[in-house]
Amino acid sequence: GQNIDQPTEMTATEGAIVQINCTYQTSGFNGLFWYQQHAGEAPTFLSYNVLDGLEEKGRFSSFLSRSKGYSYLLLKELQMKDSASYLCASDQTGTASKLTFGTGTRLQVTL
Amino acid sequence: DSGVTQTPKHLITATGQRVTLRCSPRSGDLSVYWYQQSLDQGLQFLIQYYNGEERAKGNILERFSAQQFPDLHSELNLSSLELGDSALYFCASSLTGAGRGAEAFFGQGTRLTVV
Repeated sequence: GQNIDQPTEMTATEGAIVQINCTYQTSGFNGLFWYQQHAGEAPTFLSYNVLDGLEEKGRFSSFLSRSKGYSYLLLKELQMKDSASYLCASDQTGTASKLTFGTGTRLQVTL
Repeated sequence: DSGVTQTPKHLITATGQRVTLRCSPRSGDLSVYWYQQSLDQGLQFLIQYYNGEERAKGNILERFSAQQFPDLHSELNLSSLELGDSALYFCASSLTGAGRGAEAFFGQGTRLTVV
């Protein structure tokens, strides 16, 4: 089976750093995706981690620990436009991939 | 623009009716996924097709069915609609069915309202 947990909501100040955590229990785990979704819009891809460690991409970084079933998304120099939901999704090995999503973390960036 | 096209964008229909949602994947993508997102809920996986064949099934109701055609576009059929079926329905496509290549690109969704 698969289970993904994320905090429901977070608030942070413009210019600050925020870390959004995700824990997962996924059989046949292959990797972990992070997506950003603004309200009423389609999710857009942010990152994909297969190996342990930190991957940095501009203001966004994503970390994975396979042994702990844990990932986080780090957002630096927060901007108002970063207010959105952040979804982590696990990817399974095999011929099928169904990208099981967590319910998402709604991030509110304030002045 | 992700390259994934969904039609219609909005749909309002009555309980008990049947509707068909359509998805055209990105050019070259073989895999299509359907997701349901109810208000303030996460994305619930419904079903995946790869090159015309069903590959994975999630919590898809028996009243719902889908198929992927030879030209790789996909349709999601929802029948005997209930009020609780009101949601955003997303289609996503990816190049392959698993692994790194399974980065999924999402369409803008179809907002279904059942009244």
